[in-house]
Amino acid sequence: DQQVKQNSPSLSVQEGRISILNCDYTNSMFDYFLWYKKYPAEGPTFLISISSIKDKNEDGRFTVFLNKSAKHLSLHIVPSQPGDSAVYFCAASGVYGQNFVFGPGTRLSVLP
Amino acid sequence: EPEVTQTPSHQVTQMGQEVILRCVPISNHLYFYWYRQILGQKVEFLVSFYNNEISEKSEIFDDQFSVERPDGSNFTLKIRSTKLEDSAMYFCASSGRTGPSGANVLTFGAGSRLTVL
Repeated sequence: DQQVKQNSPSLSVQEGRISILNCDYTNSMFDYFLWYKKYPAEGPTFLISISSIKDKNEDGRFTVFLNKSAKHLSLHIVPSQPGDSAVYFCAASGVYGQNFVFGPGTRLSVLP
Repeated sequence: EPEVTQTPSHQVTQMGQEVILRCVPISNHLYFYWYRQILGQKVEFLVSFYNNEISEKSEIFDDQFSVERPDGSNFTLKIRSTKLEDSAMYFCASSGRTGPSGANVLTFGAGSRLTVL
């Protein structure tokens, strides 16, 4: 039962262009969403979060959009840089955030 | 910057052996977690721990698994009798707080790779 889905296992983008990573969820009780980036042989690193009371959160080159009615969120990276090449995980939790459910990840490759 | 540290970075063990994976969470964090990632698969929740007891666990976290916070700094995951399918990267994470403000962010360690032969 995949409660958090990332339907694109991989994405390639040219340096300087926008990267858009998508995430869909099925559990309407999810209230809080995060994006993590993971390099090989390292733990996931927190990037940006959004709570359900917002539809957008921005931090530098990273913007997360949330569409609650569609149960969809996306991460925009602009401009994309080669160092952004990593696996990106979407994660979701309920109101009290005890258990984060992770999506399967999308491998982003930013080509120079 | 405070970080979560995990040891060992890699452990190889024989099937049926007991394994203990250790974690030192960020010192002022109150919530602790173990996740795992089998090679090529998604990151899966195992267990969360707060106030010296398990607050939530997944179906994966069966009787073979246990967690402990033996002192004020370490948080351990024990697998009593390892199976081949326990081979995975195990990630420890900690968090400062939780609540409807949405300020809960998990900080992950670098992981412990467990290989069961």
